[in-house]
Amino acid sequence: EAQVTQNPRYLITVTGKKLTVTCSQNMNHEYMSWYRQDPGLGLRQIYYSMNVEVTDKGDVPEGYKVSRKEKRNFPLILESPSPNQTSLYFCASSSGNQPQHFGDGTRLSIL
Amino acid sequence: GENVEQHPSTLSVQEGDSAVIKCTYSDSASNYFPWYKQELGKRPQLIIDIRSNVGEKKDQRIAVTLNKTAKHFSLHITETQPEDSAVYFCAARDPSNTGKLIFGQGTTLQVKP
Repeated sequence: EAQVTQNPRYLITVTGKKLTVTCSQNMNHEYMSWYRQDPGLGLRQIYYSMNVEVTDKGDVPEGYKVSRKEKRNFPLILESPSPNQTSLYFCASSSGNQPQHFGDGTRLSIL
Repeated sequence: GENVEQHPSTLSVQEGDSAVIKCTYSDSASNYFPWYKQELGKRPQLIIDIRSNVGEKKDQRIAVTLNKTAKHFSLHITETQPEDSAVYFCAARDPSNTGKLIFGQGTTLQVKP
């Protein structure tokens, strides 16, 4: 089954404790992206990757890092999380002119 | 860069009525416009999309229209049902980045039985 898998689905943590949210897709898609979703603001892109070892900033990259060492994986790293990064995060992937497929989301709460 | 505005932010209709959600975009070079439906606690799922070489596309009770001159596109849902209640997002593909989507702010649709 074609899917985008995120882990964890839920996480409550404290300010400053590094965390990683993993994202994996099994569709051999070149393009992967991370979004955060906040009430009234829609989906805002954090980082994206056009292919292996190619990453770039989206619209709200501050406080986040990513890597793309393999085509299927695109982890999101928060080196020193802060409360303003409490949000719902989605990973998505696509290929060519095809629609983006979203993962099930990760709800992060940073205290 | 591309900017997408979506209206209304909330919409309440009676079951069986039609619902219309409108979006405008800023970059005339944008050529792909998907619509996503997000049910509470779930991921956004594509429900319909349109490319710039067509003006309208239908899929059962859902249709999307595109006016390239005015740079706006709309989602039409006919004969609404309670299960249509969700948040709907429009998006436009950034023409300078073939993978990037710029999303509207979302519309919360409530269909009253």
